[in-house]
Amino acid sequence: QKEVEQNSGPLSVPEGAIASLNCTYSDRGSQSFFWYRQYSGKSPELIMFIYSNGDKEDGRFTAQLNKASQYVSLLIRDSQPSDSATYLCAVNMGNTDKLIFGTGTRLQVFP
Amino acid sequence: DAGVIQSPRHEVTEMGQEVTLRCKPISGHNSLFWYRQTMMRGLELLIYFNNNVPIDDSGMPEDRFSAKMPNASFSTLKIQPSEPRDSAVYFCASSSGQGFYGYTFGSGTRLTVV
Repeated sequence: QKEVEQNSGPLSVPEGAIASLNCTYSDRGSQSFFWYRQYSGKSPELIMFIYSNGDKEDGRFTAQLNKASQYVSLLIRDSQPSDSATYLCAVNMGNTDKLIFGTGTRLQVFP
Repeated sequence: DAGVIQSPRHEVTEMGQEVTLRCKPISGHNSLFWYRQTMMRGLELLIYFNNNVPIDDSGMPEDRFSAKMPNASFSTLKIQPSEPRDSAVYFCASSSGQGFYGYTFGSGTRLTVV
């Protein structure tokens, strides 16, 4: 089992819809969780992080964490074509700054 | 702030040659990370440093790979000898020790070994 798993996609949603991206992780001791966005040919860019169970909202983005189910998700409301990118889930392992990344989900938002 | 600076942006080299990738972290950040990204394996952590000291190099694939951080503002990743399977994008990232809020990545070095 991979440490951090994501569906590779592509996930295709129409403009204005809600995009839902999911991630599961294997280490129950993980404490912090991150979502990065990566445009083709570019470097990953941090968009959200979450530490506590529940929801965290930032603009059109909402991160959701359920530690009991070892599940993290990212919701993008009012999706725009500019949101088309690969979204990487990352999990902090133990008491270090080490992040383990999933392989990413490619999101396509069509007009 | 100039961000994390990597050089070169692109490198094409012949199999067997030595390759050196360079990274300058964000000033004040005390952790530095080297990742490799391929289509098949995604982002893999190779090694990371804290206060210039290597903490975890378990991701370094082989003895052909080595990394150094001689001071707080510079790190190198060296591959000697290079092989075609080393072709990938290599990212450097840094983070601050004042709490952990994720990394800032550099622009990456696209390495092609022919």
